[in-house]
Amino acid sequence: DQQVKQNSPSLSVQEGRISILNCDYTNSMFDYFLWYKKYPAEGPTFLISISSIKDKNEDGRFTVFLNKSAKHLSLHIVPSQPGDSAVYFCAAQIQGAQKLVFGQGTRLTINP
Amino acid sequence: ETGVTQSPTHLIKTRGQQVTLRCSSQSGHNTVSWYQQALGQGPQFIFQYYREEENGRGNFPPRFSGLQFPNYSSELNVNALELDDSALYLCASSLGQTSTDTQYFGPGTRLTVL
Repeated sequence: DQQVKQNSPSLSVQEGRISILNCDYTNSMFDYFLWYKKYPAEGPTFLISISSIKDKNEDGRFTVFLNKSAKHLSLHIVPSQPGDSAVYFCAAQIQGAQKLVFGQGTRLTINP
Repeated sequence: ETGVTQSPTHLIKTRGQQVTLRCSSQSGHNTVSWYQQALGQGPQFIFQYYREEENGRGNFPPRFSGLQFPNYSSELNVNALELDDSALYLCASSLGQTSTDTQYFGPGTRLTVL
């Protein structure tokens, strides 16, 4: 039972353009959402998070949007840079629990 | 400040053997979680330890067990290895056990079971 889904295994974007990564979830108990970035041979690195009481959170070039009614979140990267090429995982948590439920990941490639 | 470290980096075992993986938490962190990441999948939660006590477990059989030590370093033990146990094993440490305490991941141990 995949409670967090990233339906695009890969995404290719031109440098300077916007990258949009999508994530859907099924468990309405999730109330905290995170994005992690992973380079080869490294562990996932925390990028940005959002609580279910908000619909948008911004940190520099990264913005996460949450649509609770659609059970959908997205990560926008503007402008995209070559160093953003990595695998991006979205993850969800239930309040009070530390267990992260991850999606399958999306490999983002930024082309010069 | 030292980040999360894991050892060994790679490990090859045969079916039926036992394995111990190690994790050193980031300084000041009292909570550690272990995840299994199969090829092409996202990490899956195995269990969490908070101040040396197991504090939550995912859908993994009892042959997956763990320990957390007074210095908050941790071990993951897997008995009776199966081929499907081949995966990247990640540990993550955090300052506390609440959902807003960011989990910081180590680089992982790649386990291959033949």
